Amino acid sequence: QVQLVQSGAEVKKPGSSVKVSCTASGGTFSNSAISWVRQAPGQGPEWMGGIISVLGRTDYAQRFQGRVAITTDESTTTVYLEVKSLRYEDTAVYYCARDIRPDLLGGPTWMDVWGQGTTVTVSS
Amino acid sequence: AIQLTQSPSSLSASVGDRVTITCRASQGISSALAWYQQKPGKPPKLLIYDASSLEFGVPSRFSGSGFGTDFTLTISSLQPEDFANYYCQQFNSYPTFGQGTRLEIK
Repeated sequence: QVQLVQSGAEVKKPGSSVKVSCTASGGTFSNSAISWVRQAPGQGPEWMGGIISVLGRTDYAQRFQGRVAITTDESTTTVYLEVKSLRYEDTAVYYCARDIRPDLLGGPTWMDVWGQGTTVTVSS
Repeated sequence: AIQLTQSPSSLSASVGDRVTITCRASQGISSALAWYQQKPGKPPKLLIYDASSLEFGVPSRFSGSGFGTDFTLTISSLQPEDFANYYCQQFNSYPTFGQGTRLEIK
């Protein structure tokens, strides 16, 4: 079964950008949808967006439009999340997760395989 | 965005108890709901999808029900490993999560 392995913790200054990676171990993302979900300390999860590599399609939650970019490499084994113009409130654990999406042409659904999480701390 | 309200926000129970957690959607979402369990320092773990379908490998003491705006997650007989945080998530539109229910040992 595919496992998702994320890059390590980051400490960033306000106004800078961060790019987090998510690599498939034991498979590729070519026919899968991948979502990014973040969780601020003591809060519930928050869906940020997702990508379907085979369709070249990305979806973003409205509040992250324009500040977040989700991309994949040509081999479709790694998905990236870039967050720009970081704010203190972006301090969170960021997770990638496989979105089952039975109909690839439909919207995001539930997530069955999760990465281990990447802690991003925004601090001056 | 569709808002999900979970109740209770926290719950104390004993091993062997039957526990029910409720999730209410701000508008109808058909059966487009999932439930997750999360333990400290770990990612969420999928328990239930499509409101009532049990994810492969999840013990049968977990069950889900509901349609439209009102949903429940039931644990029929609590085990020590079930004490954790639980979240509902809708996917009728772009996904949103409930604020969580903390299940603690009494």
